Amino acid sequence: DSGVTQTPKHLITATGQRVTLRCSPRSGDLSVYWYQQSLDQGLQFLIQYYNGEERAKGNILERFSAQQFPDLHSELNLSSLELGDSALYFCASSVAGGSAYEQYFGPGTRLTVT
Amino acid sequence: GENVEQHPSTLSVQEGDSAVIKCTYSDSASNYFPWYKQELGKGPQLIIDIRSNVGEKKDQRIAVTLNKTAKHFSLHITETQPEDSAVYFCAASLNENLGRLYFGRGTQLTVWP
Repeated sequence: DSGVTQTPKHLITATGQRVTLRCSPRSGDLSVYWYQQSLDQGLQFLIQYYNGEERAKGNILERFSAQQFPDLHSELNLSSLELGDSALYFCASSVAGGSAYEQYFGPGTRLTVT
Repeated sequence: GENVEQHPSTLSVQEGDSAVIKCTYSDSASNYFPWYKQELGKGPQLIIDIRSNVGEKKDQRIAVTLNKTAKHFSLHITETQPEDSAVYFCAASLNENLGRLYFGRGTQLTVWP
């Protein structure tokens, strides 16, 4: 158990809908990272937040957005969902804010878009 | 950005044998190289990492080597056990991209008893 929690574990929704994935980092970690894992693209970095501020951005679609709250939990919002958005979404956390060191992953949320 | 290639995509070994997984990266500025183990239905688990100022790092049965000149790094697992069976991912990070990790496509390791 990494200490990173994610909810929900599974999510099934229809095209065009909007969903919110939630992540709580390990105690003491200030950075939260979001990754998407699919058979086509592998593990892809989406975005990083550090202590409430966006720190780094990767291959995140405009339909996707994220935020980190004062209690350090983070939410990833996916809107206007398409079939191709079906994937595993992982959250990771670390103490570091200025590097990629020692990221610990949560169990993931499996999103299925029908 | 960075491009990480990982080989082989599948690897089968007998229990007790060694397993080696290799990765190459494209950007010489990359300076951090973690390895993750992902079991079915779980998130990736950090098992070992190495920074660019170190050539080798060992933790019990697991070791990682880094060749900065050739831009490749490898994971070595000795005395493999059935519980080592999983998908292993290598990754690389460019410091200027802060938290971004670039992952290889993974190696499915199967250890036969």
